[in-house]
Amino acid sequence: DQQVKQNSPSLSVQEGRISILNCDYTNSMFDYFLWYKKYPAEGPTFLISISSIKDKNEDGRFTVFLNKSAKHLSLHIVPSQPGDSAVYFCAASGWNTGNQFYFGTGTSLTVIP
Amino acid sequence: GAGVSQSPSNKVTEKGKDVELRCDPISGHTALYWYRQSLGQGLEFLIYFQGNSAPDKSGLPSDRFSAERTGGSVSTLTIQRTQQEDSAVYLCASSLQGALAKNIQYFGAGTRLSVL
Repeated sequence: DQQVKQNSPSLSVQEGRISILNCDYTNSMFDYFLWYKKYPAEGPTFLISISSIKDKNEDGRFTVFLNKSAKHLSLHIVPSQPGDSAVYFCAASGWNTGNQFYFGTGTSLTVIP
Repeated sequence: GAGVSQSPSNKVTEKGKDVELRCDPISGHTALYWYRQSLGQGLEFLIYFQGNSAPDKSGLPSDRFSAERTGGSVSTLTIQRTQQEDSAVYLCASSLQGALAKNIQYFGAGTRLSVL
């Protein structure tokens, strides 16, 4: 039962352009969402989060948008840089999920110089 | 170092053998999580510790899997009688408190387990 889905396994973007990574969820009780970035042979590292009371959170080149009615969130990276090439995971938790985070399957982003 | 440390980084074992995977969380972090990432899959939740107790073991895939945490710090994930389908990267994460507190998890680099 995949409660968090990332339907695009990979994405390629030219350097300087915008990267948009998408994530869908099924549990309407999720109220906290995070994006993690993972380089090969390393553990995921936290990138940005958003609470369900907001619809946008921005941190430098990274912005996360939340559409609660559509149960959809997206991560925008602009401008994209070659160092952004990594696998991006979205994760979600909610008041009824205990202390468990649910992760998507990841999207592999390649930024082409 | 100040991060989450996992050992070994790689483990190759024969089917039927037992393995132990170790996680050293960030000092002071009360919550500790184990995940598994199989090839082409997302992070699969295995177990969560708050201090030394495991209120949520719902993700353990079978009774061959067990975990403990001692002193509110180091955790060991044990897989008995390993099977080939156990081959995966096992990731450990820690956070100041649990997910209900909206705490960020910090991950180790993982242990890549290969069962031949």
